Amino acid sequence: GAVVSQHPSWVICKSGTSVKIECRSLDFQATTMFWYRQFPKQSLMLMATSNEGSKATYEQGVEKDKFLINHASLTLSTLTVTSAHPEDSSFYICSAGGGGRMETQYFGPGTRLLVL
Amino acid sequence: GENVGLHLPTLSVQEGDNSIINCAYSNSASDYFIWYKQESGKGPQFIIDIRSNMDKRQGQRVTVLLNKTVKHLSLQIAATQPGDSAVYFCAENGPGGADGLTFGKGTHLIIQP
Repeated sequence: GAVVSQHPSWVICKSGTSVKIECRSLDFQATTMFWYRQFPKQSLMLMATSNEGSKATYEQGVEKDKFLINHASLTLSTLTVTSAHPEDSSFYICSAGGGGRMETQYFGPGTRLLVL
Repeated sequence: GENVGLHLPTLSVQEGDNSIINCAYSNSASDYFIWYKQESGKGPQFIIDIRSNMDKRQGQRVTVLLNKTVKHLSLQIAATQPGDSAVYFCAENGPGGADGLTFGKGTHLIIQP
C-alpha cells in the first residue's frame, strides 16, 4: 500500500502556543488529504478535507480559524493548531488517497499532541 | 457513524480460532466500505475493502461480507494469531459525495494464547 508519514510523532506544548503537524505522501501524489482526530478509546472523527491548491473543507463543529490547513503541494499537507488548549490534546491522524470516492485511503502513523 | 462511549466493545478469541467482527453502518447511500486495523498508538492500517455492488470479498485470512438490506458489514479473520490483537474499525465513504470516511465505533479484538 501507499506510504504516508507524519511529523512530529508526538509533541508537548504549553497552552496558548501553536503547533504545526506535517503529513506527507511518500510514494504517490495526493490531490486530497484528510485530517482526523481521535480521543482515547474512541473512533476517528473527520476534521477536514485538504485540497491541493485550494481552501480546506471543514466538518461541522470544527473551527477553521483554530485548525489551519495548508496543502501546498501534491505530497504535503500541514495542520496548525493555533493557540492550543488542553482540550485540544488528542491523536491527530492524516490520510491520503489518489482521489475519487472509491480510492482507498492510507493513513499516517498519527501525531500525539499534549497541551499542558 | 456514531463516535460515542468510553469503552470499546471487546471480542476475545482463542489463538487459532476464527473471529467475526460486526459493524452497522448508517448511510444507505454509502457505496464503499473499508476495514482498518489499529494498534495502540499507531494509525489505522488498511485490511480490506468492498464496493456496494459486491456481497463478499476475500483476502489473505480475511473475508468481508456486506449486507446492504440491513446495512451490516462483517470482517472474518481465519486462524487468528497473536498479531491480530488490535482495534478494528469499519469505515464508509461519506454522504453527499464527500470523500472523507465515517468510522464506526471500533471493536477491540483480543487473541488469547
